[in-house]
Amino acid sequence: QVQLQQSGPGLVKPSQTLSLTCGVSGDSVSSDIATWSWIRQSPSRGLEWLGRTFYRTKWYNDSAESLIGRITFNADTSKNQFSLHLKSVTPEDTAIYYCAREIGRRSGTVFDYWGQGVLVTVSS
Amino acid sequence: DIQMTQFPSSLSASGGDRVTITCRASQRISRFLSWYQQKPGKAPKLLISSTSMLESGVPSRLSGSGSGTEFTLTIDGLQSEDFATYFCQQSHSVPFSFGGGTRVDFK
Repeated sequence: QVQLQQSGPGLVKPSQTLSLTCGVSGDSVSSDIATWSWIRQSPSRGLEWLGRTFYRTKWYNDSAESLIGRITFNADTSKNQFSLHLKSVTPEDTAIYYCAREIGRRSGTVFDYWGQGVLVTVSS
Repeated sequence: DIQMTQFPSSLSASGGDRVTITCRASQRISRFLSWYQQKPGKAPKLLISSTSMLESGVPSRLSGSGSGTEFTLTIDGLQSEDFATYFCQQSHSVPFSFGGGTRVDFK
């Protein structure tokens, strides 16, 4: 059974960097068939895919175009976890942040396992 | 980027009812469409992949159909545990995108 456990602060000041970590059990972050995504949810934006990191002989990242330049991802294989870093946050970045595993299906891919979610509030 | 439009945004129904939720993609996505259920305070739960493939443990009263740009989720015989919010999601291309959600509540 795959489990994702999120950790990170629930309050971040404007202009600072939001950092969250997702610990993985039951699978490996360096799996060659899974990818590891970050998704956030807010009343104004709904569910928004932020990006992903994955390993296919080397590490790759994809991110939402609107966040390019502000968002980075990394993975720590020794701890079997992956992380999100979003810099220069504003109150518009206030949301519940989820990590999720993406895996293939017959047509396309799905997010089959999710972290518990962390409410991150951007406020001074 | 592919936009997903879901409707209705909410509906009220009674136990035993048949409920249909529609999801429309801004461009053709073949059958690269999934459905999720979310209950308050919880992460979304995967119900259906590849337009119509039920995940393990998902009751057969749920079904999905469609292709191209128009997709539907049907619940035939609504049960108490089905009162929740439902989202569609396309995996045709990055950036992945979700519909705005349909809240199903008790009439």
